[in-house]
Amino acid sequence: GAVVSQHPSWVICKSGTSVKIECRSLDFQATTMFWYRQFPKQSLMLMATSNEGSKATYEQGVEKDKFLINHASLTLSTLTVTSAHPEDSSFYICSARPIGGLNEKLFFGSGTQLSVL
Amino acid sequence: AQTVTQSQPEMSVQEAETVTLSCTYDTSESDYYLFWYKQPPSRQMILVIRQEAYKQQNATENRFSVNFQKAAKSFSLKISDSQLGDAAMYFCAYRDAGTYKYIFGTGTRLKVLA
Repeated sequence: GAVVSQHPSWVICKSGTSVKIECRSLDFQATTMFWYRQFPKQSLMLMATSNEGSKATYEQGVEKDKFLINHASLTLSTLTVTSAHPEDSSFYICSARPIGGLNEKLFFGSGTQLSVL
Repeated sequence: AQTVTQSQPEMSVQEAETVTLSCTYDTSESDYYLFWYKQPPSRQMILVIRQEAYKQQNATENRFSVNFQKAAKSFSLKISDSQLGDAAMYFCAYRDAGTYKYIFGTGTRLKVLA
């Protein structure tokens, strides 16, 4: 149980286009989802916290107009990288906090490798 | 602000031997959680072990155990009887009890030698 599906697992896009990444909790509902960014051989850096039905909270230095987050339901959060540029190329990981008994744990998606040409 | 430091970028261990990965953290909070996550080449984050700060007893999960020294703000991970499948990147993580914002260390790459 407690599976988080992240899609796509990898995506290549042209500079200037937008890319949407989905994070879906398959067998639980999540009040909160988190989006991280990981550069090669580096740690996970929290980008934003996504709460169902409300605006996302962005970490300092993260452009909210560039990284649009939508948490429309208790099982789905999306991250849209708008007008992507090569410097946005990175590994993006989502995580979800379940409602209820497992809510002390955080479950991670398998990540999305974004390459912007 | 809270910080997490992993001072060992890379460690090696012989198969079946024991290895300890170090982690220190800084916080002014008294109630928090500490974690070790494993990230294999698949890049899927896998929870290895969790420690509640209010518990004095060190957490254990099969071959994995921690040495939690609250006063020293130290949280090391010991892997016993190392296996080839343990090879991965290991991240130490911290979160305040009141939030779910995790702060990750820079990671330690563990190599297991056959």
